[in-house]
Amino acid sequence: GPKVLQIPSHQIIDMGQMVTLNCDPVSNHLYFYWYKQILGQQMEFLVNFYNGKVMEKSKLFKDQFSVERPDGSYFTLKIQPTALEDSAVYFCASSLKGQGWEQYFGPGTRLTVL
Amino acid sequence: GEQVEQLPSILRVQEGSSASINCTYENSASNYFPWYKQEPGENPKLIIDIRSNMERKQTQGLIVLLDKKAKRFSLHITDTQPGDSAMYFCAASYGSSGNKLIFGIGTLLSVKP
Repeated sequence: GPKVLQIPSHQIIDMGQMVTLNCDPVSNHLYFYWYKQILGQQMEFLVNFYNGKVMEKSKLFKDQFSVERPDGSYFTLKIQPTALEDSAVYFCASSLKGQGWEQYFGPGTRLTVL
Repeated sequence: GEQVEQLPSILRVQEGSSASINCTYENSASNYFPWYKQEPGENPKLIIDIRSNMERKQTQGLIVLLDKKAKRFSLHITDTQPGDSAMYFCAASYGSSGNKLIFGIGTLLSVKP
């Protein structure tokens, strides 16, 4: 099936540092998403992104979070500064169209904030 | 509200039997309901979905049912195999954009040989 790639697979950083998570979505997809999963729990929606803009974000998408996709490169999630509670697996997803279309998830980035 | 309730949280079945997972949602505007299978350390993989213009969908040993009046949808795995053992998540689309997925808490399915 369609492949979403994420770099890195693991990231360990000290609290207060900045981190950027990278996502390479399916090539012809237009809608991009970030979800957060804490161990043993379900995926939780953070943000969706289309045509260069954030469409919708959840309460989990704190002021320290930002997303962008400059000129068709990686779709990125930046956290600055990081906090202990940001430790989780972050999944990127993409879909061809918006409402009611399949979202394909990447392998995730495991972020550990010390 | 934006909750998706999912039951049961743990399901143990014998190989060859069927397994059923049930979910309910709150917003009548939700119109897309995917099911994902997630194995340990892996990403969630879409296994089947249903849209609100359908009541039933079947593919490769999977059946999903949707009852819009009751705001309830379910996944039925027929003839389970040990390879079906995994976490299963239901989800419903929410939000002004209509493509925000809210996930249930997950069901850990264990199929015994």
